[in-house]
Amino acid sequence: NAGVTQTPKFQVLKTGQSMTLQCAQDMNHEYMSWYRQDPGMGLRLIHYSVGAGITDQGEVPNGYNVSRSTTEDFPLRLLSAAPSQTSVYFCASSYSQGAGTDTQYFGPGTRLTVL
Amino acid sequence: GENVEQHPSTLSVQEGDSAVIKCTYSDSASNYFPWYKQELGKRPQLIIDIRSNVGEKKDQRIAVTLNKTAKHFSLHITETQPEDSAVYFCAGGGGSYIPTFGRGTSLIVHP
Repeated sequence: NAGVTQTPKFQVLKTGQSMTLQCAQDMNHEYMSWYRQDPGMGLRLIHYSVGAGITDQGEVPNGYNVSRSTTEDFPLRLLSAAPSQTSVYFCASSYSQGAGTDTQYFGPGTRLTVL
Repeated sequence: GENVEQHPSTLSVQEGDSAVIKCTYSDSASNYFPWYKQELGKRPQLIIDIRSNVGEKKDQRIAVTLNKTAKHFSLHITETQPEDSAVYFCAGGGGSYIPTFGRGTSLIVHP
């Protein structure tokens, strides 16, 4: 059981380039989300999904796209990278036993630098 | 939506002392309050959680208390050790299935 996996671990982009951060989980969790972590800002929600085919915006969605075609995968696309998107990105998944939130299982993170 | 405030942002203690981190939340429908620990360069991982039908929960040297009336919950670490040094995050969430995180507390335990 690998849990939540993310690739790549590190990435350097030039301004204007696009790329996709990959996230996969093998726990059959319904809920998946993407966070960015910047110093002093905590974990800010970018996009999330409550099931295959369903996505919604979080607190800081601009410049990012997501899709959820399968339960396992939840890729995050940067459309045109900007230096402000330099950050550490975490994917997370959770299983809901009913209404409300539950334990988040985080991936190892992707450290992205945009020059 | 939910708003979670976490204090302090930095906490420095001597080894063996106790540490307390406090979070307040805004949504009275919130019913699950986890605490995550993030060591340097690692992912956040759950260390303890509490649900709204319980006032206190303990696990060895860590405990979480919840005051629903005042809408705050706290993490207590006793007999701190250098390996407790990390960033700690609280989270809250009501009707939403995705939690709202506090901004984190950097705990430094001096040997």
